[in-house]
Amino acid sequence: DGGITQSPKYLFRKEGQNVTLSCEQNLNHDAMYWYRQDPGQGLRLIYYSQIVNDFQKGDIAEGYSVSREKKESFPLTVTSAQKNPTAFYLCASSAAQDRGYGYTFGSGTRLTVV
Amino acid sequence: AQSVTQLDSQVPVFEEAPVELRCNYSSSVSVYLFWYVQYPNQGLQLLLKYLSGSTLVESINGFEAEFNKSQTSFHLRKPSVHISDTAEYFCAVTGGYQKVTFGIGTKLQVIP
Repeated sequence: DGGITQSPKYLFRKEGQNVTLSCEQNLNHDAMYWYRQDPGQGLRLIYYSQIVNDFQKGDIAEGYSVSREKKESFPLTVTSAQKNPTAFYLCASSAAQDRGYGYTFGSGTRLTVV
Repeated sequence: AQSVTQLDSQVPVFEEAPVELRCNYSSSVSVYLFWYVQYPNQGLQLLLKYLSGSTLVESINGFEAEFNKSQTSFHLRKPSVHISDTAEYFCAVTGGYQKVTFGIGTKLQVIP
């Protein structure tokens, strides 16, 4: 079945470390997104990409980086510059040419700083 | 610019009672509207959407939402809730060339 796979499900980061969250989709979707979810704050957009080798900053991009070398993959790196990285991270994809399609989400990665 | 307001952060309701989760939006262009559901420690799942046509849309598990253009609302309703409906519900809007904007979510707690 088609879908989005996020890994790992749980991730622990030490202070000063960079960590990379994986997001892979086999839906043939052009657009992919990374959101951060904190209690009571809903979903905040970190980065998005509408085509391979191109991506744009969202509302809270500081301290994060992404790449889009393949259509299927959109990894997110949480750098040491992100001062408060503990959160639930969600990856999503959509058919960019069909705005009424809606988003398909992965099951999320919970990142904790230890 | 567009925005979404979910007026209630938490809604407790007894099992088999009706429920309404409120959503209001603002946009200067025609919009598409969505409701997503999130179960604990999972991603969001699309519950239903309004694109055009009939203003009343339904999901396969008994939820419905009505698009009201004059009141800029898209409230979610269910006539009789079940324990399994306990989850967080997100309203979302997109219009023109803008990305999807999500509300902050409403936690539905169904009490046995």
